[in-house]
Amino acid sequence: AQTVTQSQPEMSVQEAETVTLSCTYDTSESNYYLFWYKQPPSRQMILVIRQEAYKQQNATENRFSVNFQKAAKSFSLKISDSQLGDTAMYFCASGYGQNFVFGPGTRLSVLP
Amino acid sequence: DVKVTQSSRYLVKRTGEKVFLECVQDMDHENMFWYRQDPGLGLRLIYFSYDVKMKEKGDIPEGYSVSREKKERFSLILESASTNQTSMYLCASSFRVGGLEKLFFGSGTQLSVL
Repeated sequence: AQTVTQSQPEMSVQEAETVTLSCTYDTSESNYYLFWYKQPPSRQMILVIRQEAYKQQNATENRFSVNFQKAAKSFSLKISDSQLGDTAMYFCASGYGQNFVFGPGTRLSVLP
Repeated sequence: DVKVTQSSRYLVKRTGEKVFLECVQDMDHENMFWYRQDPGLGLRLIYFSYDVKMKEKGDIPEGYSVSREKKERFSLILESASTNQTSMYLCASSFRVGGLEKLFFGSGTQLSVL
């Protein structure tokens, strides 16, 4: 069984600052992926970044990067140069095959 | 671009009504999913379908059924709606690239059962 925990229900950050969202997970699978999804007020879930568990190098996508600590089962998301459009719910998820498990989410507010 | 369309953005129903939530995808994906999203609980899988007429129960199937008569359409059915089924319902479809299953979501249906 997989579980995903996000310990920060809500966070806020000033525009242009950096913020880190935490995620821990547990899985018995050896071949899995980790994801961060963003859900803005439009409700459309958008894939922000993904990480293959077998890759040690942390994934990056423009202003978004992850800190993947496999032994600690930790997968945090760092958002640099925060923008007002980053305001959204962020869900951490783990998946293998068609099995996806989502965390409870972190509501991020970017303040002007 | 992949499009997953949910027929209603908001829906208000009465307790005991039969409710149909419709989802259509336009990319010939094999897999389709219904999730329920509640504050503090994230997304929980209700049902999953991997082919026409094929389905598997997810984590919270009680009180729900599904129908997949055509590849592009996956319906979620609440046989007798109850107030504890008030929630956001998200449909998704997916396809596999290498070892990675790529999920595409609809915009959700906010269902209120009164």
